[in-house]
Amino acid sequence: QITLKESGPTLVKPTQTLTLTCTFSGFSLDTGGVGVGWIRQPPGKALEWLALIYWDDDKRYSTSLKSRLTITKDTSENRVVLTMTNMDPEDTATYYCAHRNSRKVAARFDFWGQGTLVTVSS
Amino acid sequence: DVQMTQSPSSLSASVGDRVTITCRASQNIAFYLNWYQQKPGDAPNLLIYAASTLQSGVPSRFSGSGSGTDFTLTISSLQPEDFATYYCQESYSTPEMFGQGTRVEI
Repeated sequence: QITLKESGPTLVKPTQTLTLTCTFSGFSLDTGGVGVGWIRQPPGKALEWLALIYWDDDKRYSTSLKSRLTITKDTSENRVVLTMTNMDPEDTATYYCAHRNSRKVAARFDFWGQGTLVTVSS
Repeated sequence: DVQMTQSPSSLSASVGDRVTITCRASQNIAFYLNWYQQKPGDAPNLLIYAASTLQSGVPSRFSGSGSGTDFTLTISSLQPEDFATYYCQESYSTPEMFGQGTRVEI
């Protein structure tokens, strides 16, 4: 059974750096094809893809946020960490991590965490 | 970046209706298209992947079709639990873009 859970601060100040951790079970990030992605959703708005890391440390980022994002994995601890620098009130959103099954045509996010709401405010 | 455009942005329907949602990509994405359902307060739930493959456990009233740039999600007979927002997502390129969502309401 695959589960994922996001953790991190619920409130950050503008210009601060956000660090979110995705802790998962039921799969390993040293299994070929597997990855973990981050997706966010501002209140009342659509989903936005942020970043993705694969088992072989292939890392992919949103074009518009690439300069602010870093994704890393800790295979031994079953964790993926996303950092976002220079936070702004427009970054207020629910942040989700999700299991990626493959890099090929059937690539999909088939299991999701519950999400964590991050508010950016002074 | 590939742009994903869903239509309509919202629709009103009744239980038992056949509902169709379309998703158009700004370039050819072959079959790299997924559909998710999201209910208020919940995480998205995968319905369809690779354009037409039903995710395990998803009712057979959901179906997907299309390839290249034009895709469709169909609910053959709308049930009360299907009132939600639906998103398409392409997994062809980086970044992987989501559509803006289609809200299905009564």
